[in-house]
Amino acid sequence: EPEVTQTPSHQVTQMGQEVILRCVPISNHLYFYWYRQILGQKVEFLVSFYNNEISEKSEIFDDQFSVERPDGSNFTLKIRSTKLEDSAMYFCASSYPKRLGNTGELFFGEGSRLTVL
Amino acid sequence: KNQVEQSPQSLIILEGKNCTLQCNYTVSPFSNLRWYKQDTGRGPVSLTIMTFSENTKSNGRYTATLDADTKQSSLHITASQLSDSASYICVVSGMDSNYQLIWGAGTKLIIKP
Repeated sequence: EPEVTQTPSHQVTQMGQEVILRCVPISNHLYFYWYRQILGQKVEFLVSFYNNEISEKSEIFDDQFSVERPDGSNFTLKIRSTKLEDSAMYFCASSYPKRLGNTGELFFGEGSRLTVL
Repeated sequence: KNQVEQSPQSLIILEGKNCTLQCNYTVSPFSNLRWYKQDTGRGPVSLTIMTFSENTKSNGRYTATLDADTKQSSLHITASQLSDSASYICVVSGMDSNYQLIWGAGTKLIIKP
């Protein structure tokens, strides 16, 4: 069964360092998302991406964050200068073909745990 | 303000027993409601997606109900198994804000042998 894959599964970094989290969405999906979940808290929306551009972003997704789809398969989340409060599980998700409002199902990866020291 | 509230926060039941988890929402105008299962340290997995016109939807031992008038949903788990231990998250999509998903905090369910 097709699945969303994420790497790395766990990354430890020093505060101020750049981090890139990678995702391979399901191959025929058109919409891509990043969510984060701080330990013990709700899942929070970061950004959605369609047709090679950001379609929606939350207040969390500030100038320190960026997303890119550098080729036909990868979807990356970059954090330029990590802060302690960026420590969280980051989930990539994808959907096809309709947007969420049309009951398009969201498929999540297993997450990348980011620990900022 | 669009909100999703779930109860109880946590629940412990014995294996084989049934349980019901609740979700109340204030999201309007309503598009759809989803229930996800999230095992500890893993990504959410979709259980059901319900639209305005659907009152009940089943997925194996999971049955979700939706009352769009009272803005309430429930997830009923029948004959619980140890593998049902997880967080169950209610997520509602509204028609404004480009159908963004409003996430509940989840109910942490523990099944004891």
